[in-house]
Amino acid sequence: DAKTTQPPSMDCAEGRAANLPCNHSTISGNEYVYWYRQIHSQGPQYIIHGLKNNETNEMASLIITEDRKSSTLILPHATLRDTAVYYCIVRYGGSQGNLIFGKGTKLSVKP
Amino acid sequence: GAVVSQHPSWVICKSGTSVKIECRSLDFQATTMFWYRQFPKQSLMLMATSNEGSKATYEQGVEKDKFLINHASLTLSTLTVTSAHPEDSSFYICSARWAGVDTEAFFGQGTRLTVV
Repeated sequence: DAKTTQPPSMDCAEGRAANLPCNHSTISGNEYVYWYRQIHSQGPQYIIHGLKNNETNEMASLIITEDRKSSTLILPHATLRDTAVYYCIVRYGGSQGNLIFGKGTKLSVKP
Repeated sequence: GAVVSQHPSWVICKSGTSVKIECRSLDFQATTMFWYRQFPKQSLMLMATSNEGSKATYEQGVEKDKFLINHASLTLSTLTVTSAHPEDSSFYICSARWAGVDTEAFFGQGTRLTVV
C-alpha cells in the first residue's frame, strides 16, 4: 500500500504557484520522497525527489518539513500544461526500492 | 532526464493470442526495470520488478506464467502477455532505473493493450 496521503484534487489559476501537499507520517530515515506526474494516457514524468533538505530544479521545488512527516511540491508559475495527476511517493533508498503509487492529486490549472 | 522507450504504443489482439511489449533504456544502463498496469481512472499498480540477468520478482496476485518478463540486457526488458483475454486489456507501463541509493526511475510512454 502507498505510504502517502494526498488530497484527491486541487485547482490552481494559470500563472500562480501551485502548492501540492503530501503527508507521509510513517516515513523512515532511509526513505526518500519522490514526486511524479502523469498527464492523461502518458507514462509518469519524474519531477523531483529529496531526503531531508529542500530541493529545487527547473520544474519545481520540494519542501520537506523538519520532522519529514510531510512535504509540499511547489510549481512556481503553473501553466495549463501542468494539468495532471501528481503522485507523492516514498521509496526506500536502497537499490531494490520500488515506487508504489497511491491515488495522487488531480491538479487542474485554469485560465 | 533519461529516456525510456516503450513499443508498441498501442496494440489490439485477439483473445487467446500472446503479445510482447518492449521497454528500452536509450541513454543509460538500467540495472532494474519495473512493469506497471493501469486501469481506467485508477493509479499505477506494480506488477513486477526485474534485475538484469535474473528472474523477475512478481507482486502478489500477478500470475508469473501469464505475464512473462525478460530482462536479458541492461537496456532491454520485455513483457509478454500470454493467452490474452479481454480482462487483460489495460495500459502497461515500464520504468527503468540504474543502480544507486537515490536514483530516480524513468518511465516509458506506455502501451495500450486491447484484447478483443
